[in-house]
Amino acid sequence: QQQVKQSPQSLIVQKGGISIINCAYENTAFDYFPWYQQFPGKGPALLIAIRPDVSEKKEGRFTISFNKSAKQFSLHIMDSQPGDSATYFCAAIGSGNTPLVFGKGTRLSVIA
Amino acid sequence: EPEVTQTPSHQVTQMGQEVILRCVPISNHLYFYWYRQILGQKVEFLVSFYNNEISEKSEIFDDQFSVERPDGSNFTLKIRSTKLEDSAMYFCASSGTSGIVEQFFGPGTRLTVL
Repeated sequence: QQQVKQSPQSLIVQKGGISIINCAYENTAFDYFPWYQQFPGKGPALLIAIRPDVSEKKEGRFTISFNKSAKQFSLHIMDSQPGDSATYFCAAIGSGNTPLVFGKGTRLSVIA
Repeated sequence: EPEVTQTPSHQVTQMGQEVILRCVPISNHLYFYWYRQILGQKVEFLVSFYNNEISEKSEIFDDQFSVERPDGSNFTLKIRSTKLEDSAMYFCASSGTSGIVEQFFGPGTRLTVL
């Protein structure tokens, strides 16, 4: 019940295309859903996050869509660029300063 | 911009040796965490620390592990007797006051146990 399932494991997208990464959870106590971006040899960096009281959050080219009834959320990267090539992790956290539960990650490659 | 720092960036040790990984969290943060990431796998929670005591720990965090905040700035993870399977990236993270849940990660320490 503590798991966050993430797909796909890897993704190749043409430059300018849309990258879509999906996650699903079971624990209804989760109430904060961040996405982290990780470059090789670096720590995860917070990219964008959403709470379940909204269905969508957009920051620049990055959008989170959230479906509370389905317990699913996804990251959309519009106009994908080679610099977006990285591993993306979805995560979930319950109330308070509790541990993050991470998905297994998606390795995104944006090719020119 | 404030950031979490970690030292060393890479630590190589022999099986059975003790290692101490160091972290300096963001200065006004109150909650501290250690996570690890085995190569190619997801990030896993180890332990969280608040008000000078462990607030939560995972099954991974057994008696071989300990954490300490020896002064007002450092936060350390000690592995008493390293095993081959402890080889991983270890990330320190911190978050601010209660209710502010964003966790900020350091660059990690790559631990290699031979």
